[in-house]
Amino acid sequence: SAVISQKPSRDICQRGTSLTIQCQVDSQVTMMFWYRQQPGQSLTLIATANQGSEATYESGFVIDKFPISRPNLTFSTLTVSNMSPEDSSIYLCSVLASGKYEQYFGPGTRLTVT
Amino acid sequence: QKEVEQDPGPLSVPEGAIVSLNCTYSNSAFQYFMWYRQYSRKGPELLMYTYSSGNKEDGRFTAQVDKSSKYISLFIRDSQPSDSATYLCAMSNGGYNKLIFGAGTRLAVHP
Repeated sequence: SAVISQKPSRDICQRGTSLTIQCQVDSQVTMMFWYRQQPGQSLTLIATANQGSEATYESGFVIDKFPISRPNLTFSTLTVSNMSPEDSSIYLCSVLASGKYEQYFGPGTRLTVT
Repeated sequence: QKEVEQDPGPLSVPEGAIVSLNCTYSNSAFQYFMWYRQYSRKGPELLMYTYSSGNKEDGRFTAQVDKSSKYISLFIRDSQPSDSATYLCAMSNGGYNKLIFGAGTRLAVHP
């Protein structure tokens, strides 16, 4: 399985600011995804990070709020823009290796917005 | 109705018990079924992965898929306090289709 790291592991931010979360994988992967896990809830897919093209967003999530970059096959960033307390969540990246169907998750970034 | 239903628990069992965790789903196109374990303040860890119907065993863990009933299960034998975590089922149509998660079941195994 791939080894996935995320930075930062946690942060406390003020409302109205933005935070960029980084996801690094130790091997080239086909697909990278970004999920949100709100307190006590399950995982909700935000978007699929496509290498070399714009991310594909799920219903309820928009690029202006959650811009995503994926410059190569091992790295992606998610920015949470103009944050409000409702954005307080764990943000997780996951990867799907070529020819596989299992997704592996990073350790998550715990975001608190005050 | 949610695509994937999972009882959130909590489920509390004594050490050594057999634990049964279950999910039901409504989308007959799902073919790939996964179980993740998530410890508090950690990312989900893939435990078991099954394609289509049948059983799969890995140590103390057994995953079962019954596509005719749209029902999947995870059994944990000889449960240990270290098994205390939230267990999430997830499933997809395959290919690059997204994973749909259950709500997660919180399990506590007490000594």
